[in-house]
Amino acid sequence: QKEVEQDPGPLSVPEGAIVSLNCTYSNSAFQYFMWYRQYSRKGPELLMYTYSSGNKEDGRFTAQVDKSSKYISLFIRDSQPSDSATYLCAMERVTGANSKLTFGKGITLSVRP
Amino acid sequence: KAGVTQTPRYLIKTRGQQVTLSCSPISGHRSVSWYQQTPGQGLQFLFEYFSETQRNKGNFPGRFSGRQFSNSRSEMNVSTLELGDSALYLCASSLEASRGSYNSPLHFGNGTRLTVT
Repeated sequence: QKEVEQDPGPLSVPEGAIVSLNCTYSNSAFQYFMWYRQYSRKGPELLMYTYSSGNKEDGRFTAQVDKSSKYISLFIRDSQPSDSATYLCAMERVTGANSKLTFGKGITLSVRP
Repeated sequence: KAGVTQTPRYLIKTRGQQVTLSCSPISGHRSVSWYQQTPGQGLQFLFEYFSETQRNKGNFPGRFSGRQFSNSRSEMNVSTLELGDSALYLCASSLEASRGSYNSPLHFGNGTRLTVT
């Protein structure tokens, strides 16, 4: 079983839709949870970061973490064509002077005007 | 501040050849990490360098190697190229090494697209 599993996609939605992107993980040692966004022909950029169970909002984006179920989600409200990108979840374990970051494979989202 | 710069953007090589990729981190960043991104495996960690020393290494064969210079610039080398090495190679820099994304988040370059024929 892979440490991080992400819904494979691709996903296509109309403009204005609510988008839900999900990842599950198997390693309970993960402490920090992130979402990266990667536009075509660009590198990933950090979108959201959280370290506790619950919700974290940033504008139209909400990151949700459920540590008991080992499940994280990213919700995008009022989706825009500019949100079209690949979204990667990432999980991190930090122990002392060492950190290990593990990425999901990513899901490609297309928002149709 | 200039972002992470990777050169070249695109490379086409033949099986059996070797290749060197270059990465210039954000000014002041001392840690450089390398990742391989493919549709099948996603983003996989290759290695991390800090102060010219390799701090962490992923699960890749010895054909993949890297180094970091005193100005924090880094190079990655792949010898005896195989078809399966075709991928986007991403470099990421951070202020410090292995401090976690909260303290020292990764900043990615736009990658080098390597095609092996």
